[in-house]
Amino acid sequence: GQNIDQPTEMTATEGAIVQINCTYQTSGFNGLFWYQQHAGEAPTFLSYNVLDGLEEKGRFSSFLSRSKGYSYLLLKELQMKDSASYLCAVTYNQGGKLIFGQGTELSVKP
Amino acid sequence: DTGVSQNPRHKITKRGQNVTFRCDPISEHNRLYWYRQTLGQGPEFLTYFQNEAQLEKSRLLSDRFSAERPKGSFSTLEIQRTEQGDSAMYLCASSPPGTSGGTQYFGPGTRLLVL
Repeated sequence: GQNIDQPTEMTATEGAIVQINCTYQTSGFNGLFWYQQHAGEAPTFLSYNVLDGLEEKGRFSSFLSRSKGYSYLLLKELQMKDSASYLCAVTYNQGGKLIFGQGTELSVKP
Repeated sequence: DTGVSQNPRHKITKRGQNVTFRCDPISEHNRLYWYRQTLGQGPEFLTYFQNEAQLEKSRLLSDRFSAERPKGSFSTLEIQRTEQGDSAMYLCASSPPGTSGGTQYFGPGTRLLVL
């Protein structure tokens, strides 16, 4: 299988930093995506990693280690509107389909 | 609005009825994907098209499900003889040409409830 594992839920405080981890099987790995999904809405694209290292985009950063089969999404200066589900998804073997984890439900508290 | 659109947004049907959903991708995107999502889970891949060709179909997809993209533009997903287990959000996504399909952009989804 190609299990994509991420924590089910996390809680953080407004203004703080939170790191959401994702692990995946490395065989045939092509690239990794992070999406944000608010309740009842469609997933929206956050980041794409294909090479090792950190990709920074404003308050959000995403890291990838291909050899370890590991990624994380880092959210800085948390805002209440960041409360959402964060989905880790992987493509394999040059194919286009996304294999998703179950999502991490993030709650940002005042 | 140049994003992915889906119709209808909501559908309530009785068990045993057939339903059809439509997806209009971003105009320059040649790949179109269908996913299904149930509460508390990530989206699950159903099938995808490159232009009008259906390149992959999930083994989890029963014969009651069929998808078409006749002119390489919009796509339809039909579910025949619906069952209560088909209740879910059906998401469509599209991506531009590229060796790995590129980033996928999702439509708002069609929420199906089978009574």
